[in-house]
Amino acid sequence: SQQGEEDPQALSIQEGENATMNCSYKTSINNLQWYRQNSGRGLVHLILIRSNEREKHSGRLRVTLDTSKKSSSLLITASRAADTASYFCATVNNNDMRFGAGTRLTVKP
Amino acid sequence: DTGVSQNPRHKITKRGQNVTFRCDPISEHNRLYWYRQTLGQGPEFLTYFQNEAQLEKSRLLSDRFSAERPKGSFSTLEIQRTEQGDSAMYLCASSLRAQPYNEQFFGPGTRLTVL
Repeated sequence: SQQGEEDPQALSIQEGENATMNCSYKTSINNLQWYRQNSGRGLVHLILIRSNEREKHSGRLRVTLDTSKKSSSLLITASRAADTASYFCATVNNNDMRFGAGTRLTVKP
Repeated sequence: DTGVSQNPRHKITKRGQNVTFRCDPISEHNRLYWYRQTLGQGPEFLTYFQNEAQLEKSRLLSDRFSAERPKGSFSTLEIQRTEQGDSAMYLCASSLRAQPYNEQFFGPGTRLTVL
């Protein structure tokens, strides 16, 4: 069964704009991770935020975590056409990793 | 290139046939995971190994599914008597037990189509 729920399911923006994706989950976690998947390919790890962290940055990515609301957000700044992909959050509790259904991001050139 | 390889990349089979997929993890990774992903959904956990030991199996893994990792290196996932509902992408991932936060490295997947 899946744990996280991403919102929105699909997002379409122009190149240069920022993209924000949200993830809500139900149970306690050790950490939350975001992955990216290009069409028909495997997943690529983007960023990990621990349960005791509130915000993390990596290049053009910014992730926030609010454990009281059981939610996380992924912000991609200055988007590029190459950012077009599906983005999944994954919650980790001990060795148990559960993925959401993903947000499909389309960045138009 | 994450270093995890899967073969074959695509498999088309008729209902009722058996299929076997192979996953070669990153060489020093002692944990190996199998997931199933259907269109428009995130990966669903099937099972995972630490070295050669299968430590957890999802209830999604019916008795038609079996996974092995005999020498703690590559793994195989076999589906017997395939059904159309088995059509999906089967993803393999590996990680290092020493990494406490379980970052996983995924292979490209095997896409199964059951006719």
